[in-house]
Amino acid sequence: DQQVKQNSPSLSVQEGRISILNCDYTNSMFDYFLWYKKYPAEGPTFLISISSIKDKNEDGRFTVFLNKSAKHLSLHIVPSQPGDSAVYFCAASAYYGQNFVFGPGTRLSVLP
Amino acid sequence: DSGVTQTPKHLITATGQRVTLRCSPRSGDLSVYWYQQSLDQGLQFLIQYYNGEERAKGNILERFSAQQFPDLHSELNLSSLELGDSALYFCASSPSGRVDTQYFGPGTRLTVL
Repeated sequence: DQQVKQNSPSLSVQEGRISILNCDYTNSMFDYFLWYKKYPAEGPTFLISISSIKDKNEDGRFTVFLNKSAKHLSLHIVPSQPGDSAVYFCAASAYYGQNFVFGPGTRLSVLP
Repeated sequence: DSGVTQTPKHLITATGQRVTLRCSPRSGDLSVYWYQQSLDQGLQFLIQYYNGEERAKGNILERFSAQQFPDLHSELNLSSLELGDSALYFCASSPSGRVDTQYFGPGTRLTVL
């Protein structure tokens, strides 16, 4: 039973447009969420995080939105760039910094 | 380059065997994490060490064990290997125990035949 779901295995977006990556979770005890980006042949790289006391966190072109009632979070990338093409993982924890559960990832392709 | 090194890069072995994966954290990082990424699966957190002591445990099988040495490098031991253990194994390090300051290594690809 997947506690963290990323239902879109892949997403293609035109350069300059917005990319929206979605993540759903089932465990209502999750209170801290992260997004990671992964390029081929490299380890994941931390991108952005959000705690359950917030509903939005912004860092440059990246914004994460959290809807606790819907158990849903999304990552917005604006504007999308070809270098953003990677696999994006969301992760959730029921205790800050411990025992993160990862989703299966969404492969984003930004087309020039 | 994250500064986290993992050896070997690739490992091919047979079922029933035992292997050791090695991780050297970034200089100064006290915490080491191990993750498994199977084909078409997300990352699974296995275990975390902080300054030599086990800090948190995830979905780590009893056939797997890990330790962090006084020089802070870590080893993940996988025994009685099964075909399903074939995966990418990532190590990450962070200066504290916080995952949002985590840096991942390039991974070790284990193939069990």
